[in-house]
Amino acid sequence: QQQVKQSPQSLIVQKGGIPIINCAYENTAFDYFPWYQQFPGKGPALLIAIRPDVSEKKEGRFTISFNKSAKQFSLHIMDSQPGDSATYFCAASRGGNTGKLIFGQGTTLQVKP
Amino acid sequence: DTAVSQTPKYLVTQMGNDKSIKCEQNLGHDTMYWYKQDSKKFLKIMFSYNNKELIINETVPNRFSPKSPDKAHLNLHINSLELGDSAVYFCASSQGGSGQVFTGELFFGEGSRLTVL
Repeated sequence: QQQVKQSPQSLIVQKGGIPIINCAYENTAFDYFPWYQQFPGKGPALLIAIRPDVSEKKEGRFTISFNKSAKQFSLHIMDSQPGDSATYFCAASRGGNTGKLIFGQGTTLQVKP
Repeated sequence: DTAVSQTPKYLVTQMGNDKSIKCEQNLGHDTMYWYKQDSKKFLKIMFSYNNKELIINETVPNRFSPKSPDKAHLNLHINSLELGDSAVYFCASSQGGSGQVFTGELFFGEGSRLTVL
């Protein structure tokens, strides 16, 4: 119930492609869903986040789609660039006021030039 | 100016030894955390502190003892190190995040890679 399942584990796309990373959760008490980006040797950094009262959120080339009934959410990266090559983590938390994030397993994205 | 800084960045030590990792944040946040990232990159929360008070303890073995001398510092001491403790330990901070208004963002340090031989 506390898990967040993320797929795929790794992804390779060509520059300009649209990688999609999917996450699913079981706990309906989760009410905050962030995505973090991690470069090698660095800590994760917040990319974009959504709360369940909206179905989509866009920030620049990054879009979260959220399906509350299916308990799934996904990250789309438009016009992907080699600089987007990193590990992406979805996460969830509940209660709205906690920094206790339950992370997915991570997706390593490689964008080829 | 690094927002969340951890030292040391690398530790290599023998089984059975004791080691400490220090963390400092200059963001003025009131909540700090330790997360562990294993060899498969899986991230899991270990502890969180709010204004020096322990808020979350995720059933971490007693060999791990966090300590927060003030709200800008959170240290992690590990006794009797085991092979399975090898991981990258991340310190993070946030505004709120312990029942108070949470801005929704954790700021992570660059991690401390611990290798137990």
